[in-house]
Amino acid sequence: EPEVTQTPSHQVTQMGQEVILRCVPISNHLYFYWYRQILGQKVEFLVSFYNNEISEKSEIFDDQFSVERPDGSNFTLKIRSTKLEDSAMYFCASRLGLGSNQPQHFGDGTRLSIL
Amino acid sequence: DQQVKQNSPSLSVQEGRISILNCDYTNSMFDYFLWYKKYPAEGPTFLISISSIKDKNEDGRFTVFLNKSAKHLSLHIVPSQPGDSAVYFCAAYHSGGYQKVTFGTGTKLQVIP
Repeated sequence: EPEVTQTPSHQVTQMGQEVILRCVPISNHLYFYWYRQILGQKVEFLVSFYNNEISEKSEIFDDQFSVERPDGSNFTLKIRSTKLEDSAMYFCASRLGLGSNQPQHFGDGTRLSIL
Repeated sequence: DQQVKQNSPSLSVQEGRISILNCDYTNSMFDYFLWYKKYPAEGPTFLISISSIKDKNEDGRFTVFLNKSAKHLSLHIVPSQPGDSAVYFCAAYHSGGYQKVTFGTGTKLQVIP
């Protein structure tokens, strides 16, 4: 079964550094999402992306965050200047369409640790 | 902002018995509800969903019940198996827009052999 793949599985970065988290969505999917889960908290929506532009974003997704689909397969989340509170699991998800029988499929996540 | 709430952080059930996981929501705009299952070091895996126009959806051992007036849903697993041990997330979205999913905090289910 096709999968959403995320790399790296664990990223350790110094505070203030830029970090790029990478995702390869399922190949024929059209809608892409990033979520994050801070340790001990719930999974929170960050941003959705469709037709090469952001379709919706949460208040967490401030100017430090950006997303890009640089080619036909990758979907990236960039954090420009990382803060300690950015430490979390980041999950990428993709979806074929918006039908009720087309749920979001999640990758296994990238654990981001900011030192 | 707890629009989706799972009040039981953990649940232990004997193998072969029924597991019942509960979820409450507050946002009346939600019209689709989902359950995801998550193993350690993996992402959430879609399990089952239900539309707000239904009150029950069944898929094998998994049944989701929706009580719209009470804003409550539950996931029944019967019979429970040790492989069902995982964290279960209740989630919901509104079918308009790009359907961002709002998650609950999760319930850790342990099925004891």
